[in-house]
This record gives sequence, C-alpha cells and structure tokens, in this order.
Amino acid sequence: DTAVSQTPKYLVTQMGNDKSIKCEQNLGHDTMYWYKQDSKKFLKIMFSYNNKELIINETVPNRFSPKSPDKAHLNLHINSLELGDSAVYFCASSHRLAGGRETQYFGPGTRLLVL
Amino acid sequence: DQQVKQNSPSLSVQEGRISILNCDYTNSMFDYFLWYKKYPAEGPTFLISISSIKDKNEDGRFTVFLNKSAKHLSLHIVPSQPGDSAVYFCAASDQGGSEKLVFGKGTKLTVNP
Repeated sequence: DTAVSQTPKYLVTQMGNDKSIKCEQNLGHDTMYWYKQDSKKFLKIMFSYNNKELIINETVPNRFSPKSPDKAHLNLHINSLELGDSAVYFCASSHRLAGGRETQYFGPGTRLLVL
Repeated sequence: DQQVKQNSPSLSVQEGRISILNCDYTNSMFDYFLWYKKYPAEGPTFLISISSIKDKNEDGRFTVFLNKSAKHLSLHIVPSQPGDSAVYFCAASDQGGSEKLVFGKGTKLTVNP
C-alpha cells in the first residue's frame, strides 16, 4: 500500500536511448511533481502537474517530456539520453488547498545511470 | 545561486543529546519552510514545517525555529536517537501560486549510541 510508487527503481541504459519512468500515487492528491537529485545531491524540481495540467516547468531540456494520463499518474519520458542525465529522479504528490499549504510526499526514487 | 543553504554537510551527536541542524535562505519571498528526512535508497519523508507567521513549531522531539530577520531556521531534535541518523533537507516555498519547493543540499546527521 505504498503511497507514491515509482518504476523502475534502477535503470541502466546507453547514451542516446529513450526511456520512461512511471509514477503512481494512491493518496488522492491532485498535484504531482518530478524532482532530480544530481551528483552534487541538490534536489531540484523539474515539473509539476495539477489535475493533469502542467503548472511548473523549470527550464528542463525538451528531451524530457512529462505525461499525466490521470491525476494519479505522472510519467517521465526522456529522449536521447545523455551522460549528464544520470541522477536520482523522485516523484512526489500533494493536495493543494486554496490559500493553504500542503506537504509533498515523495516516492522512493529511480536511480538512472547513463553509460 | 543557492536560495536555501545548509552549510554543514554533516553533524555527529551522542544519543540522548540535542541535535541542531541549521538552514539559511536568501529569498525574502519564502514564507513556508519544511524539513525532510531521508534514509539511503529512500525518498525524502516530511518531518515538520513552519509558516512565516510563526517563529516556532513543535512536534514531539522535533522543534523548528524560524528567525525571519536573519533568514535562518533550525531544527532541534531532543533527545537524539540512533534511528534519527539520516540526511536532513531544509526546503522553502513562496506564495507564488505553485508549491515549488527549493531544497538545501542536506546535512547528514549521525547519532552515535
């Protein structure tokens, strides 16, 4: 009964390949996020979707394309993988209240290694 | 430019003593602050938060203090337990209409038995 789940947990691939990471949340939240934690350990937001609409896009290369088929899912597709894409990718979700703040709940992460 | 800074990459304390983790921020628009705890190979888990209208929030052994004039917050853990050993991330957001969190680089806390 994992709240935010990601698949796969580990992904090793060659440069130039296209890959997808899937995220699902069963918390009933309406906002989902993708974060990247690079080799320097910085955790930075990439995208955010609210009710399947893109609301945050943080100057991420257009090789990265998020897709939200429904409120409970936010997948990340990466084209033409580069060495610099090697990182841990975290999915998160939250429920946004008008004028209020909510906690973001994170998935376990997907460790991507591009060779 | 780092808007949220955790200048101590690591901290080691004895079990039962107080752990104090510090965080500084530069963006005066930040009005909501959170602490997350992260174990190896797991995602960050929420620990405690504080709004800028408060200067202290307490939850059991965890207390967060906010000094807005100094743009500084700290997390106090009393008493520290070995199970508290983890990386602690400070995060902040503003009222810009989105819930974008800006994270610090983390402080690795080790609590020695």
